[in-house]
Amino acid sequence: GQSLEQPSEVTAVEGAIVQINCTYQTSGFYGLSWYQQHDGGAPTFLSYNALDGLEETGRFSSFLSRSDSYGYLLLQELQMKDSASYFCAVVSGSARQLTFGSGTQLTVLP
Amino acid sequence: DADVTQTPRNRITKTGKRIMLECSQTKGHDRMYWYRQDPGLGLRLIYYSFDVKDINKGEISDGYSVSRQAQAKFSLSLESAIPNQTALYFCATSEKTSWSGIGEQFFGPGTRLTVL
Repeated sequence: GQSLEQPSEVTAVEGAIVQINCTYQTSGFYGLSWYQQHDGGAPTFLSYNALDGLEETGRFSSFLSRSDSYGYLLLQELQMKDSASYFCAVVSGSARQLTFGSGTQLTVLP
Repeated sequence: DADVTQTPRNRITKTGKRIMLECSQTKGHDRMYWYRQDPGLGLRLIYYSFDVKDINKGEISDGYSVSRQAQAKFSLSLESAIPNQTALYFCATSEKTSWSGIGEQFFGPGTRLTVL
């Protein structure tokens, strides 16, 4: 089977940096994606890592270590609008399906 | 205009009723998916389709069926709804084989279904 673990909640203040970790167990691993979901909204894609290392997109960066089955999402210069749930998801199997973690609720305080 | 649309956006029904949720997309993607999300949990895959003639069960397909009427339309049916199918349902699409894009799916706005 497949499993993903990420913290259920993280709190930080505006302007700070926060890291959301994700560990996974899966077979047929292709890569790790990150999605953001605001309350009541649709998940939106943030990033995808297929290879080891850091990918940077503006204030957000994502890291993958395939040997450690570990990744993280790094959010810099936090803004109030970053308050949302963040999901890691592994791409795996011959069908290259997404399997989602349970999500991390990020609260950004003023 | 939204690229992935879902109807209805909200639905309340009773146990035993048949329900159909519809999804349409204008992105031209071959792959379409149905997920359910329960409070405080991630999304779980119900069914997925890689083209009109290719439909596959996901992690939690029991109690659900699907129909891919065209490349752009993918419907989810609950033949006899039960209360534990109360959830938020999302449709999603993705490109076929793009290496850099295989981790990216585009989600519709969701259908909030309540089964009494």
